[in-house]
Amino acid sequence: AQSVTQLDSHVSVSEGTPVLLRCNYSSSYSPSLFWYVQHPNKGLQLLLKYTSAATLVKGINGFEAEFKKSETSFHLTKPSAHMSDAAEYFCVVTRRDAGNMLTFGGGTRLMVKP
Amino acid sequence: KAGVTQTPRYLIKTRGQQVTLSCSPISGHRSVSWYQQTPGQGLQFLFEYFSETQRNKGNFPGRFSGRQFSNSRSEMNVSTLELGDSALYLCASSWVEQGPSGELFFGEGSRLTVL
Repeated sequence: AQSVTQLDSHVSVSEGTPVLLRCNYSSSYSPSLFWYVQHPNKGLQLLLKYTSAATLVKGINGFEAEFKKSETSFHLTKPSAHMSDAAEYFCVVTRRDAGNMLTFGGGTRLMVKP
Repeated sequence: KAGVTQTPRYLIKTRGQQVTLSCSPISGHRSVSWYQQTPGQGLQFLFEYFSETQRNKGNFPGRFSGRQFSNSRSEMNVSTLELGDSALYLCASSWVEQGPSGELFFGEGSRLTVL
């Protein structure tokens, strides 16, 4: 079994300040982990993925995440928030042999203040 | 390259009716997955099709079904609609056959309202 917990349902930051979105996972198998972003009335877009290579993963739009097995965490960070980053972010876990059957966290809504 | 196309984008049905949603994947993608998104339950996996075969199925009742055609287009059907079926239904496609997955390309969804 596997599950994902996103520790904050809402995060609010000021433009230009760092972003931290927290994610903890649980998996009986070596997991693959992802972050997806969903802008209002849009589908989801892949930000970045971890699949057992480097533990620090860089994604699009300046986002990155670090896989920490000892802490079962995969937190998403960005050094400087931009207004266009306001969206909902989903942490996702899957097993490597599970095809495209993804388990999503509950989501974190990021608000960016001017 | 065209993205994942879902039709219809919005629809309203009444309880007891049935609905069919359509998804056209990105050209060349052979895997199509369906997800349900609701405010209460979040995003939940419905099923995945690859080369016209259901490869995985989520924990949904038998009222939810799907299929995939030889051109990789997929449809999902919900029979005997209930109020709780109101949701955004997202389709995603992928070219990955085996191994690490998750690189899904999502459509913008079909928003179903059941009255």
